Amino acid sequence: DTEVTQTPKHLVMGMTNKKSLKCEQHMGHRAMYWYKQKAKKPPELMFVYSYEKLSINESVPSRFSPECPNSSLLNLHLHALQPEDSALYLCASSHSQGSYYEQYFGPGTRLTVT
Amino acid sequence: ELKVEQNPLFLSMQEGKNYTIYCNYSTTSDRLYWYRQDPGKSLESLFVLLSNGAVKQEGRLMASLDTKARLSTLHITAAVHDLSATYFCAVDHPSQGNLIFGKGTKLSVKP
Repeated sequence: DTEVTQTPKHLVMGMTNKKSLKCEQHMGHRAMYWYKQKAKKPPELMFVYSYEKLSINESVPSRFSPECPNSSLLNLHLHALQPEDSALYLCASSHSQGSYYEQYFGPGTRLTVT
Repeated sequence: ELKVEQNPLFLSMQEGKNYTIYCNYSTTSDRLYWYRQDPGKSLESLFVLLSNGAVKQEGRLMASLDTKARLSTLHITAAVHDLSATYFCAVDHPSQGNLIFGKGTKLSVKP
């Protein structure tokens, strides 16, 4: 099974809402990633978790709060977002963190902030 | 600074024609990835090039890697409309393990 799943597929939220994005993989991967992709732009890294610990935070605003409750799950908690946070949020996983392991991407969550 | 540069950024082709997309990168990576992305969709892995001189082909697409020149090419042969999409190349960050993407090439194949 080489699948990374993400829920929900689409999310519309107001600026005062709190919501969460969920990512799951059952490949035994120990590195998981959140990328953000704005329209007509390439994906940009937000966070990396390695062995359930936050390894990299690319200076992401605190209104985005990642969580890795176990080795298969990665969440992204959203609170007080701005309209400019509307984007495609991609989750990925790899065997380990490092430059020799292919990343597998999920289908993404399309987020719209109104 | 780590850079991945693709060109062209936009490519309008006629069906049946050939063309090449170029990807230059500044890291010392010996791996390079090509992805396809359809509008509103996630990334679809096309090729993983693992070493200098690697060449891979799938259908009308062929990718190659020259690590000494830090250059990869994606060659399109006899384009068809179904190939219309945005194509990204990416390399591994040398220490962090995440991917660094080029800006993407938006390919439009017209009859």
